[in-house]
Amino acid sequence: AQKITQTQPGMFVQEKEAVTLDCTYDTSDPSYGLFWYKQPSSGEMIFLIYQGSYDQQNATEGRYSLNFQKARKSANLVISASQLGDSAMYFCAMRELNRDDKIIFGKGTRLHILP
Amino acid sequence: DSGVTQTPKHLITATGQRVTLRCSPRSGDLSVYWYQQSLDQGLQFLIQYYNGEERAKGNILERFSAQQFPDLHSELNLSSLELGDSALYFCASSAGLAGGEEDEQFFGPGTRLTVL
Repeated sequence: AQKITQTQPGMFVQEKEAVTLDCTYDTSDPSYGLFWYKQPSSGEMIFLIYQGSYDQQNATEGRYSLNFQKARKSANLVISASQLGDSAMYFCAMRELNRDDKIIFGKGTRLHILP
Repeated sequence: DSGVTQTPKHLITATGQRVTLRCSPRSGDLSVYWYQQSLDQGLQFLIQYYNGEERAKGNILERFSAQQFPDLHSELNLSSLELGDSALYFCASSAGLAGGEEDEQFFGPGTRLTVL
């Protein structure tokens, strides 16, 4: 069974608009961490934001915020005021801390910001 | 620049051969992770080392092996290469062990392996 699901293979968004990238996860481990990474066309992987399963508040990091809905097992990334430089592939990932510490990535969402 | 270095940047080899990919973590980071990114499989976690010891294992084939040396650099050895091993191999490093915010992973630029 797929543990990380990103249902949007591609998205087109107008510059300056907010965008939400979906991520749902599946785990029975009560202790886990959720990550979002950005991969521009140049290929490097850039860490964006982290949410721990016990964190009471949604994580925020500049223009990035994570809409964490634990009961729904959802960890959507919200990018406010999108910029052309946000065009990239975005990966959601999870690490189950009480299991084998494997890190599982979703298949990614390709985001295109339109001028 | 993440501070993680990987060599070589590109590698072209033939089926059946063996190659070694090298990774130097950021200064002070004790954990090293290896990932494989291919078009059909996506981004797959292979293995993690922490301070020289294997910590977590992912979808790493038996033909592949890795180690972390006392100076904390790591090598990923790929043997009996097949066409399907062609991929981008990333190394990442982090300061700690667990998956918390303090354990943010910094990725290297990757090694592009092409098996002909």
